[in-house]
Amino acid sequence: GDSVTQMEGPVTLSEEAFLTINCTYTATGYPSLFWYVQYPGEGLQLLLKATKADDKGSNKGFEATYRKETTSFHLEKGSVQVSDSAVYFCALSPFSGNTGKLIFGQGTTLQVKP
Amino acid sequence: DVKVTQSSRYLVKRTGEKVFLECVQDMDHENMFWYRQDPGLGLRLIYFSYDVKMKEKGDIPEGYSVSREKKERFSLILESASTNQTSMYLCASSLGGAAPNQPQHFGDGTRLSIL
Repeated sequence: GDSVTQMEGPVTLSEEAFLTINCTYTATGYPSLFWYVQYPGEGLQLLLKATKADDKGSNKGFEATYRKETTSFHLEKGSVQVSDSAVYFCALSPFSGNTGKLIFGQGTTLQVKP
Repeated sequence: DVKVTQSSRYLVKRTGEKVFLECVQDMDHENMFWYRQDPGLGLRLIYFSYDVKMKEKGDIPEGYSVSREKKERFSLILESASTNQTSMYLCASSLGGAAPNQPQHFGDGTRLSIL
């Protein structure tokens, strides 16, 4: 079945460092891909999405490109801030049998130190 | 913006109690979901609903039931709470219908402790 794999955390970076959080997926057809962010004590917020191959989603300085050939959707940011400390989830919406369900990765914790 | 509201941020109940977690969305979404989130296990889907009075089991429905009498409200019920149901519970909604690949919108979560 469809699945999402994220790099294990925690990822610890200094402020202004470059961030990459890896996400790969297994799915049939052409799923849509999402990144969600969860700040401490809150629910998940949609960060960005991409619905077809080579699409680039972007928001708040974060970017991710839908790579069909490598089945990846890695999250990047050029310069992280302390306020980016959170848990990041990669997710996919299956291509067929759309029920609105999403398949989530395990989440990656990011800690940014001043 | 979509607003998904969960009735309680923190809840403490006793073993054996019947527990109700309430969720309301204000965007006329057809789909609604209940997840639990535990350290190291990510998000696990308990139940979801794609229309009023319709429900489907997710990955871990045992020990839970749901109710959707109105489109905007989706309730999660722990029939007889047990300590292994101590967790963070997250409600979400999405547009549904003919709209494909829609994101889910989440509430802030209810941290439930069963003593």
